Amino acid sequence: KAGVTQTPRYLIKTRGQQVTLSCSPISGHRSVSWYQQTPGQGLQFLFEYFSETQRNKGNFPGRFSGRQFSNSRSEMNVSTLELGDSALYLCASSLNRPDVHEQYFGPGTRLTVT
Amino acid sequence: AQSVTQLDSHVSVSEGTPVLLRCNYSSSYSPSLFWYVQHPNKGLQLLLKYTSAATLVKGINGFEAEFKKSETSFHLTKPSAHMSDAAEYFCVVSDTTGGSYIPTFGRGTSLIVHP
Repeated sequence: KAGVTQTPRYLIKTRGQQVTLSCSPISGHRSVSWYQQTPGQGLQFLFEYFSETQRNKGNFPGRFSGRQFSNSRSEMNVSTLELGDSALYLCASSLNRPDVHEQYFGPGTRLTVT
Repeated sequence: AQSVTQLDSHVSVSEGTPVLLRCNYSSSYSPSLFWYVQHPNKGLQLLLKYTSAATLVKGINGFEAEFKKSETSFHLTKPSAHMSDAAEYFCVVSDTTGGSYIPTFGRGTSLIVHP
């Protein structure tokens, strides 16, 4: 079974631009979560989507948004990029069942904002 | 509310010696607990999980963890460290929030393995 895939793997953007990151979950997984990882703040939860609906949201500004499609693929968008948005963005998928709800992570997208 | 504390930000061992990475948790419900490993510039890989079955959980690469409810701990151990074990390790707790399982991650423990 193929794992979680994320594209692109690396991105360099300029402050003020916007960016869209993509995530394809493991087949059959309907829950997709996004995280931001930085050396200073560690792993921070951005949001979770399940069946095309945002179910949970972390404490990030409205510049960070996402969506999920009917095939469970998900995108996240960051508008008006700031230098502090430079980070590794991780996507994770899960079956989200009471007996099986561990998350499986993709390799991440490394975003650099200059 | 749930939280997790990894008691050491760095652990340094020699190759062939035992590894102990400590984790304490707090959860309002019967928690699920996980350990993940992250090698440089990679995503997180699930090492093992506890979901209210056996308290001693065996994972991949020779790692295991013991759930101790009385101590609210879930420490990760390995009898003999290998150079390839050098990585960042995350302890994770999750319980139900509105029907979903949103995990809380510890800050991570960096395992350094000396030859």
